[in-house]
Amino acid sequence: AQKITQTQPGMFVQEKEAVTLDCTYDTSDPSYGLFWYKQPSSGEMIFLIYQGSYDQQNATEGRYSLNFQKARKSANLVISASQLGDSAMYFCAMSPSYGQNFVFGPGTRLSVLP
Amino acid sequence: SQTIHQWPATLVQPVGSPLSLECTVEGTSNPNLYWYRQAAGRGLQLLFYSVGIGQISSEVPQNLSASRPQDRQFILSSKKLLLSDSGFYLCAWRIGFNQPQHFGDGTRLSIL
Repeated sequence: AQKITQTQPGMFVQEKEAVTLDCTYDTSDPSYGLFWYKQPSSGEMIFLIYQGSYDQQNATEGRYSLNFQKARKSANLVISASQLGDSAMYFCAMSPSYGQNFVFGPGTRLSVLP
Repeated sequence: SQTIHQWPATLVQPVGSPLSLECTVEGTSNPNLYWYRQAAGRGLQLLFYSVGIGQISSEVPQNLSASRPQDRQFILSSKKLLLSDSGFYLCAWRIGFNQPQHFGDGTRLSIL
């Protein structure tokens, strides 16, 4: 069975600073994908970044980067130069490469301080 | 471009009443479709997913059911709602493996 752990229920960061949101996972699938989503208070789920388990390089998308450490089964999200609009819930998720189920972590609430 | 429509946005229902939430996707064919429930301040719980018309996989036993009568239509139903069915319901689609899911705007369901 797959499991996602996000150990930080809440995080605070000063505007313009970088922040790391932790995600560890457990799976027996040899190939899988890892995803991060942002959920503002309005409720919509916004896809941020994807990392494949066999990707050699860490994924980056603008101010978002994923610190992928396969041996440690961690896929931490790094947000650089935080903005007030980054305040939201952040969810880590995974899916096996040849399956359709998705598992989400419990989320981390990020608050960006002016 | 692909879009996903989910309605209604909010719904207040009495205990024991039926439920029907509808989700449709435009701009793509044969998507994989998903229904999630999110309790307040919590993560997403996968309820059902479908890889094709009439094909439904249930992840959690409950008094909810799902149907996919058309390629791009996914319906979440209940014959008799329970208080515990309250929550935020999200529909999502994706194409292929190792692709992200794309979500609708969700339905906030309150059971009285």
